[in-house]
Amino acid sequence: GENVEQHPSTLSVQEGDSAVIKCTYSDSASNYFPWYKQELGKRPQLIIDIRSNVGEKKDQRIAVTLNKTAKHFSLHITETQPEDSAVYFCAAVGDAGKSTFGDGTTLTVKP
Amino acid sequence: DTAVSQTPKYLVTQMGNDKSIKCEQNLGHDTMYWYKQDSKKFLKIMFSYNNKELIINETVPNRFSPKSPDKAHLNLHINSLELGDSAVYFCASSQARELFFGEGSRLTVL
Repeated sequence: GENVEQHPSTLSVQEGDSAVIKCTYSDSASNYFPWYKQELGKRPQLIIDIRSNVGEKKDQRIAVTLNKTAKHFSLHITETQPEDSAVYFCAAVGDAGKSTFGDGTTLTVKP
Repeated sequence: DTAVSQTPKYLVTQMGNDKSIKCEQNLGHDTMYWYKQDSKKFLKIMFSYNNKELIINETVPNRFSPKSPDKAHLNLHINSLELGDSAVYFCASSQARELFFGEGSRLTVL
């Protein structure tokens, strides 16, 4: 089955700095890669996603890159703000629709 | 209007008891899931139903039994609760592989 590794497990940055979270996956059949943000005590919510036919996608301060050959994808957050503090999960999804999650990254943005 | 709603939000119970969590979605999605989030925040899939049919059944003790009476509802019944069952259980639905999560049900087994 699919295995997703996510690094780092914790990340602390100063407000205004950039944050990068990296994930690798094992199953070359996976073709959809979402990122979810989970604030403390809340549900995970999709913030950005990328499909396997695209190398990069951007949405304001958030971008995701995908390298299918190397089987890795990354989340980039620029100009971080305290409200970006949360747990971020990457996931890999195949045609069957099963989402396999990474173990999560706790991002802390210090004001 | 809550898209995916689950009840109860909190459950505190004794070891050995049986409990149920209910989930309903009003998004018209065909697929529903149960995920378990443990104290380390790891999110693990437990079950998936597509239009009332079980399609994913991960390695979960058979004390856990899901039931989907229709495609808008997915319930989870847990028998003989153990301490290790303490976690937050999230229901989710999807249509185009994006997951929409419920608010979670925090289960504490004493």
